[in-house]
Amino acid sequence: DAKTTQPNSMESNEEEPVHLPCNHSTISGTDYIHWYRQLPSQGPEYVIHGLTSNVNNRMASLAIAEDRKSSTLILHRATLRDAAVYYCILRDGYGGATNKLIFGTGTLLAVQP
Amino acid sequence: EAGVTQFPSHSVIEKGQTVTLRCDPISGHDNLYWYRRVMGKEIKFLLHFVKESKQDESGMPNNRFLAERTGGTYSTLKVQPAELEDSGVYFCASKPGQGTSSNQPQHFGDGTRLSIL
Repeated sequence: DAKTTQPNSMESNEEEPVHLPCNHSTISGTDYIHWYRQLPSQGPEYVIHGLTSNVNNRMASLAIAEDRKSSTLILHRATLRDAAVYYCILRDGYGGATNKLIFGTGTLLAVQP
Repeated sequence: EAGVTQFPSHSVIEKGQTVTLRCDPISGHDNLYWYRRVMGKEIKFLLHFVKESKQDESGMPNNRFLAERTGGTYSTLKVQPAELEDSGVYFCASKPGQGTSSNQPQHFGDGTRLSIL
């Protein structure tokens, strides 16, 4: 799986939008971009994934650059509950032995009231 | 739908003892994964079951670790004998689908915090 690069930490104010960036310059054509987050004392939680087009779900939006070398996870209105470590992970969408997740260090998001 | 459950939530044992961690995946999920985070490190993959078969155990650190999934339902991860460096949080995840090329998300339990004294 290709490597991703994320900022170590970010801060946001409650009720404001948050844009979490991820660089993946060596992404291959079959790699999907997945985002997970880990709240304190919990296991990782799936957030969203996409391939080429921007994606929206009830939790967040995923904006993918046209060249796919970067993406941005968007939380439209941050709440205190969104304080977590956010992981950007590339997954091969075809074949592959396990589809295991390869976690990096992620971005620690702090949300201020 | 019940989520992935792990037992115990915490375990404190002495070096040299044996500990067995259990994971109950979401009902019907064929794929079951074990991961762990040791102190100061990133979450690392340990192994993957498809039903009762080990699909990939490339992440298992050494032969002190034994994972089983008899009957293709719950799984156990035994550490024998435990060493100090085994301390950390052990996560289990499950995913539906018999195939291994699915993009469906993995559902994680809250982990077992293992402390070796």
